[in-house]
Amino acid sequence: SQQGEEDPQALSIQEGENATMNCSYKTSINNLQWYRQNSGRGLVHLILIRSNEREKHSGRLRVTLDTSKKSSSLLITASRAADTASYFCATDVAGGYNKLIFGAGTRLAVHP
Amino acid sequence: DVKVTQSSRYLVKRTGEKVFLECVQDMDHENMFWYRQDPGLGLRLIYFSYDVKMKEKGDIPEGYSVSREKKERFSLILESASTNQTSMYLCASSLGQGASGNTIYFGEGSWLTVV
Repeated sequence: SQQGEEDPQALSIQEGENATMNCSYKTSINNLQWYRQNSGRGLVHLILIRSNEREKHSGRLRVTLDTSKKSSSLLITASRAADTASYFCATDVAGGYNKLIFGAGTRLAVHP
Repeated sequence: DVKVTQSSRYLVKRTGEKVFLECVQDMDHENMFWYRQDPGLGLRLIYFSYDVKMKEKGDIPEGYSVSREKKERFSLILESASTNQTSMYLCASSLGQGASGNTIYFGEGSWLTVV
């Protein structure tokens, strides 16, 4: 069963615009992570936010977490063509073994 | 840098064949994972291992088995490949037996086509 569900499934924007992707999940989590995947490649870790945190920043990335709504958002500011990729949220639900449950992802296209 | 290496990038196998997908990590990570990725379904966990010779089923273990004889190596085995196992397979590893919140490092993926 999928824990995380991203919204929208696809997003198309112009360079310089901000991109916001949302993630909803179903059960309690230890932390939530965002990953990026370039076409046909492996996933790369972007940022982790723990269940007791509400907001986190890393460069042009801003992640929020609302545990009461079981949702998270990833904001990429001042997007660049190189940000074109798929973005996945992953929830660390329990067990202590880094067992992550991934959503279906958001495909982001940034046009020059 | 952590490196997770999947031995085969592209494979084409026949229905009924036994298929081995090999994965090696070079950072002494305790945890290793096998996911499959299909369009619209995201990544689904097949099996994971938190120590040598230890394994746990993920969400979709049917039709697969795994082997972890050495800490750095985690193999995924398709005993009798079927066309519905055509997919991209991703191996991953992370530090920290019994810990959560660690970064998971992925390999580049293995594209398997079963004909």
